Amino acid sequence: QLQLQESGPRQVKPSGTLSLTCTVSGDSISSSTYHWGWVRQPPGKGLEWIASIDFSGNTYNNPSLQSRVTISVDTVKNRFSLNLDYVTAADTALYFCVREHYGDFSWWGRGTLVIVSS
Amino acid sequence: EIVMTQSPDFLAVSLGERATINCRSSQSVLYTLSNKNFLTWFQQKPGQPPKKIIYWASDRESGVPDRFSGSGSGTDFTLTISNLQAEDVAVYYCQQYYSSPYTFGQGTKLEIK
Repeated sequence: QLQLQESGPRQVKPSGTLSLTCTVSGDSISSSTYHWGWVRQPPGKGLEWIASIDFSGNTYNNPSLQSRVTISVDTVKNRFSLNLDYVTAADTALYFCVREHYGDFSWWGRGTLVIVSS
Repeated sequence: EIVMTQSPDFLAVSLGERATINCRSSQSVLYTLSNKNFLTWFQQKPGQPPKKIIYWASDRESGVPDRFSGSGSGTDFTLTISNLQAEDVAVYYCQQYYSSPYTFGQGTKLEIK
Protein backbone atom coordinates (compact mmCIF):
# COMPACT_ATOMS: atom_id res chain seq x y z
CA GLN A 1 0.00 0.00 0.00
CA LEU A 2 1.26 3.44 -0.92
CA GLN A 3 2.35 5.61 1.99
CA LEU A 4 3.56 9.19 1.94
CA GLN A 5 5.24 10.53 5.05
CA GLU A 6 6.09 14.19 5.54
CA SER A 7 9.00 15.20 7.72
CA GLY A 8 10.78 18.39 8.63
CA PRO A 9 10.99 21.17 11.21
CA ARG A 10 7.73 22.09 12.88
CA GLN A 11 8.73 25.72 13.37
CA VAL A 12 10.54 28.14 11.09
CA LYS A 13 11.57 31.71 11.79
CA PRO A 14 10.18 34.55 9.67
CA SER A 15 12.27 35.23 6.57
CA GLY A 16 13.77 31.77 6.88
CA THR A 17 13.36 28.71 4.65
CA LEU A 18 10.77 26.04 5.20
CA SER A 19 12.16 22.62 4.25
CA LEU A 20 10.09 19.46 4.09
CA THR A 21 10.69 15.97 2.77
CA CYS A 22 8.18 13.36 1.71
CA THR A 23 9.29 9.75 1.88
CA VAL A 24 7.42 7.42 -0.43
CA SER A 25 6.85 3.75 0.25
CA GLY A 26 4.79 1.34 -1.78
CA ASP A 27 5.65 2.97 -5.11
CA SER A 28 8.85 3.86 -6.88
CA ILE A 29 9.22 7.51 -7.84
CA SER A 30 11.68 6.63 -10.60
CA SER A 31 9.35 4.21 -12.34
CA SER A 32 6.10 5.95 -11.66
CA THR A 33 4.06 7.79 -14.21
CA TYR A 34 2.74 9.97 -11.43
CA HIS A 35 3.88 13.37 -10.30
CA TRP A 36 4.75 14.11 -6.68
CA GLY A 37 3.73 17.33 -5.10
CA TRP A 38 2.76 19.50 -2.18
CA VAL A 39 -0.54 21.00 -1.07
CA ARG A 40 -0.95 23.23 1.96
CA GLN A 41 -3.80 24.24 4.20
CA PRO A 42 -3.57 27.18 6.63
CA PRO A 43 -5.30 26.44 9.94
CA GLY A 44 -9.06 26.51 9.47
CA LYS A 45 -8.76 27.45 5.81
CA GLY A 46 -8.81 25.90 2.36
CA LEU A 47 -6.36 24.02 0.18
CA GLU A 48 -3.65 25.40 -2.07
CA TRP A 49 -1.52 23.44 -4.51
CA ILE A 50 2.12 24.52 -4.24
CA ALA A 51 4.15 22.56 -6.79
CA SER A 52 4.84 19.11 -8.23
CA ILE A 53 7.73 17.21 -9.78
CA ASP A 54 8.16 14.08 -11.86
CA PHE A 55 10.90 11.47 -11.65
CA SER A 56 12.94 13.27 -14.29
CA GLY A 57 12.96 16.44 -12.27
CA ASN A 58 10.46 18.33 -14.41
CA THR A 59 8.69 20.78 -12.13
CA TYR A 60 5.21 22.26 -12.18
CA ASN A 61 4.63 25.32 -10.01
CA ASN A 62 1.82 27.48 -8.76
CA PRO A 63 2.71 30.98 -10.02
CA SER A 64 1.52 32.47 -6.73
CA LEU A 65 4.48 30.88 -4.93
CA GLN A 66 6.83 30.08 -7.78
CA SER A 67 9.48 32.65 -6.95
CA ARG A 68 9.95 31.20 -3.46
CA VAL A 69 9.56 27.49 -4.14
CA THR A 70 12.12 24.83 -4.93
CA ILE A 71 11.01 21.25 -5.34
CA SER A 72 13.42 18.38 -5.88
CA VAL A 73 13.40 14.62 -6.14
CA ASP A 74 15.79 11.94 -4.86
CA THR A 75 15.05 8.74 -6.74
CA VAL A 76 17.71 6.80 -4.84
CA LYS A 77 16.07 7.47 -1.49
CA ASN A 78 12.60 7.49 -3.07
CA ARG A 79 11.66 10.85 -1.66
CA PHE A 80 11.02 14.39 -2.74
CA SER A 81 11.47 17.71 -1.02
CA LEU A 82 10.07 21.21 -0.78
CA ASN A 83 11.90 24.40 0.07
CA LEU A 84 9.91 27.60 0.58
CA ASP A 85 12.02 30.72 1.02
CA TYR A 86 11.39 33.98 2.87
CA VAL A 87 8.51 32.62 4.89
CA THR A 88 6.04 34.78 6.79
CA ALA A 89 3.20 34.02 9.18
CA ALA A 90 0.99 33.53 6.12
CA ASP A 91 2.97 30.39 5.32
CA THR A 92 1.88 28.74 8.57
CA ALA A 93 -0.07 25.73 7.39
CA LEU A 94 -0.57 22.00 7.32
CA TYR A 95 1.63 20.77 4.46
CA PHE A 96 0.54 17.62 2.64
CA CYS A 97 2.64 15.67 0.18
CA VAL A 98 0.63 14.10 -2.60
CA ARG A 99 0.86 11.72 -5.50
CA GLU A 100 -0.87 13.25 -8.45
CA HIS A 101 -1.24 13.07 -12.18
CA TYR A 102 -1.68 16.46 -13.81
CA GLY A 103 -3.73 17.72 -10.90
CA ASP A 104 -5.61 14.53 -10.13
CA PHE A 105 -4.62 14.23 -6.46
CA SER A 106 -5.01 10.56 -5.85
CA TRP A 107 -3.03 9.93 -2.68
CA TRP A 108 -2.23 12.16 0.28
CA GLY A 109 0.13 12.04 3.21
CA ARG A 110 -1.29 12.80 6.64
CA GLY A 111 0.24 16.25 6.63
CA THR A 112 2.66 18.10 8.86
CA LEU A 113 1.96 21.41 10.56
CA VAL A 114 4.62 24.06 10.09
CA ILE A 115 4.42 27.22 12.17
CA VAL A 116 6.25 30.36 11.16
CA SER A 117 7.17 32.17 14.32
CA SER A 118 10.15 33.74 15.99
CA GLU B 1 -6.11 30.75 -12.99
CA ILE B 2 -9.50 29.07 -12.71
CA VAL B 3 -11.33 30.28 -9.63
CA MET B 4 -13.59 27.77 -7.90
CA THR B 5 -16.48 29.10 -5.85
CA GLN B 6 -18.60 26.92 -3.61
CA SER B 7 -21.95 27.60 -2.04
CA PRO B 8 -22.97 27.62 0.67
CA ASP B 9 -19.99 28.03 3.01
CA PHE B 10 -21.89 26.26 5.76
CA LEU B 11 -24.73 23.78 5.63
CA ALA B 12 -26.74 22.10 8.38
CA VAL B 13 -28.96 19.19 7.38
CA SER B 14 -31.01 16.74 9.41
CA LEU B 15 -30.09 13.08 9.55
CA GLY B 16 -31.68 11.19 6.70
CA GLU B 17 -32.22 14.32 4.64
CA ARG B 18 -30.42 15.50 1.50
CA ALA B 19 -27.45 17.84 1.41
CA THR B 20 -26.61 19.77 -1.74
CA ILE B 21 -23.33 21.61 -2.30
CA ASN B 22 -22.66 23.70 -5.37
CA CYS B 23 -19.41 24.53 -7.11
CA ARG B 24 -18.85 26.97 -9.93
CA SER B 25 -15.69 27.41 -11.96
CA SER B 26 -14.68 30.71 -13.53
CA GLN B 27 -14.19 28.93 -16.85
CA SER B 28 -15.23 25.60 -18.24
CA VAL B 29 -13.41 22.51 -17.00
CA LEU B 30 -14.94 20.30 -19.68
CA TYR B 31 -12.38 18.80 -22.00
CA THR B 32 -14.45 18.44 -25.14
CA LEU B 33 -12.30 15.83 -26.88
CA SER B 34 -12.97 13.34 -24.11
CA ASN B 35 -16.24 14.87 -22.90
CA LYS B 36 -14.89 14.71 -19.37
CA ASN B 37 -15.09 17.37 -16.71
CA PHE B 38 -11.81 17.71 -14.85
CA LEU B 39 -13.55 18.20 -11.50
CA THR B 40 -13.06 16.32 -8.25
CA TRP B 41 -14.91 16.41 -4.95
CA PHE B 42 -13.02 15.83 -1.72
CA GLN B 43 -14.27 15.10 1.77
CA GLN B 44 -12.10 16.21 4.68
CA LYS B 45 -12.78 15.18 8.26
CA PRO B 46 -11.00 16.81 11.22
CA GLY B 47 -7.40 15.73 11.57
CA GLN B 48 -7.41 13.86 8.26
CA PRO B 49 -6.17 14.60 4.76
CA PRO B 50 -8.76 15.19 2.06
CA LYS B 51 -10.29 12.06 0.63
CA LYS B 52 -11.32 11.94 -3.03
CA ILE B 53 -14.95 10.87 -3.27
CA ILE B 54 -15.99 11.93 -6.79
CA TYR B 55 -13.88 12.32 -9.92
CA TRP B 56 -14.69 13.36 -13.48
CA ALA B 57 -17.47 15.33 -11.77
CA SER B 58 -19.77 12.33 -11.42
CA ASP B 59 -17.80 9.11 -10.94
CA ARG B 60 -17.69 7.72 -7.42
CA GLU B 61 -14.44 6.46 -5.99
CA SER B 62 -14.38 2.80 -5.04
CA GLY B 63 -15.81 2.25 -1.58
CA VAL B 64 -17.70 5.55 -1.45
CA PRO B 65 -21.35 5.00 -0.49
CA ASP B 66 -23.83 5.48 -3.29
CA ARG B 67 -25.62 8.17 -1.31
CA PHE B 68 -22.86 10.45 -2.64
CA SER B 69 -23.40 11.65 -6.19
CA GLY B 70 -21.92 14.33 -8.40
CA SER B 71 -23.45 16.11 -11.33
CA GLY B 72 -22.94 19.06 -13.62
CA SER B 73 -20.80 20.01 -16.56
CA GLY B 74 -18.82 22.93 -17.88
CA THR B 75 -18.81 25.47 -15.08
CA ASP B 76 -21.55 24.36 -12.68
CA PHE B 77 -21.37 21.30 -10.50
CA THR B 78 -23.25 19.78 -7.59
CA LEU B 79 -22.40 17.28 -4.89
CA THR B 80 -25.47 15.63 -3.44
CA ILE B 81 -25.49 13.54 -0.30
CA SER B 82 -28.75 11.66 0.09
CA ASN B 83 -29.92 10.15 3.35
CA LEU B 84 -27.35 12.08 5.38
CA GLN B 85 -25.49 10.05 7.97
CA ALA B 86 -23.61 11.26 11.04
CA GLU B 87 -20.30 10.15 9.53
CA ASP B 88 -20.82 12.54 6.60
CA VAL B 89 -20.01 15.53 8.80
CA ALA B 90 -16.98 17.05 7.12
CA VAL B 91 -15.76 19.88 4.96
CA TYR B 92 -16.26 19.28 1.25
CA TYR B 93 -14.07 20.79 -1.45
CA CYS B 94 -14.35 20.86 -5.21
CA GLN B 95 -11.15 21.03 -7.24
CA GLN B 96 -10.37 21.51 -10.90
CA TYR B 97 -7.50 19.89 -12.73
CA TYR B 98 -8.36 21.17 -16.18
CA SER B 99 -5.46 23.59 -16.09
CA SER B 100 -2.56 24.58 -13.91
CA PRO B 101 -2.50 25.99 -11.31
CA TYR B 102 -4.85 23.38 -9.93
CA THR B 103 -7.34 25.12 -7.70
CA PHE B 104 -9.82 24.29 -4.97
CA GLY B 105 -13.07 25.80 -3.84
CA GLN B 106 -13.07 27.46 -0.43
CA GLY B 107 -14.89 24.52 1.15
CA THR B 108 -18.37 23.83 2.51
CA LYS B 109 -18.72 22.76 6.10
CA LEU B 110 -21.50 20.23 6.53
CA GLU B 111 -23.02 19.61 9.92
CA ILE B 112 -26.02 17.83 11.36
CA LYS B 113 -29.04 19.98 12.20
